[in-house]
Amino acid sequence: SAVISQKPSRDICQRGTSLTIQCQVDSQVTMMFWYRQQPGQSLTLIATANQGSEATYESGFVIDKFPISRPNLTFSTLTVSNMSPEDSSIYLCSVVDRGTEAFFGQGTRLTVV
Amino acid sequence: GQQVMQIPQYQHVQEGEDFTTYCNSSTTLSNIQWYKQRPGGHPVFLIQLVKSGEVKKQKRLTFQFGEAKKNSSLHITATQTTDVGTYFCAGTTSGTYKYIFGTGTRLKVLA
Repeated sequence: SAVISQKPSRDICQRGTSLTIQCQVDSQVTMMFWYRQQPGQSLTLIATANQGSEATYESGFVIDKFPISRPNLTFSTLTVSNMSPEDSSIYLCSVVDRGTEAFFGQGTRLTVV
Repeated sequence: GQQVMQIPQYQHVQEGEDFTTYCNSSTTLSNIQWYKQRPGGHPVFLIQLVKSGEVKKQKRLTFQFGEAKKNSSLHITATQTTDVGTYFCAGTTSGTYKYIFGTGTRLKVLA
């Protein structure tokens, strides 16, 4: 099973600023994803992080707001840009290896004030 | 786009009672997975179903995948307080490993 380290675990940010969340996996994985989970809600897929190329975004999410990098098979970052209180949420990194179960990081709890 | 709905949204049961959550997809799925998320935690994988009509059991948990591969259910027999949490189904369509999560069912077990 993959072990995922996600940083920071939580942060309180001022509106208009940006936060970069890091996701480090202990092994090379094929697929990495970023999800958002608003309080009491389900997980919404933001994008697929593609190694060495631009991320693939889901409907409603754009690169200018959520730039993603994936320089190699074990690491990815998600930036939440120009934050507003509506961005307050838990952001989760997820990896899928060999097409089976998804493993999740512990999540980043973001509060925008 | 693809939607995955779960019912009920919430369920409170007395310890020892049974519990079932149902998952319905707007599109045919190649496989479906179930996750449990404890309060304050992240989703943890429970099981994957791939075949039409498949039934799998894990101790008190029984998982079923519908014949049309558009719905699924999770049944817990004789709930315990350790079963508390939110149960999510997550489906994928052919050719992708993207998981679209269901709306979730939050289970509370009263001792």
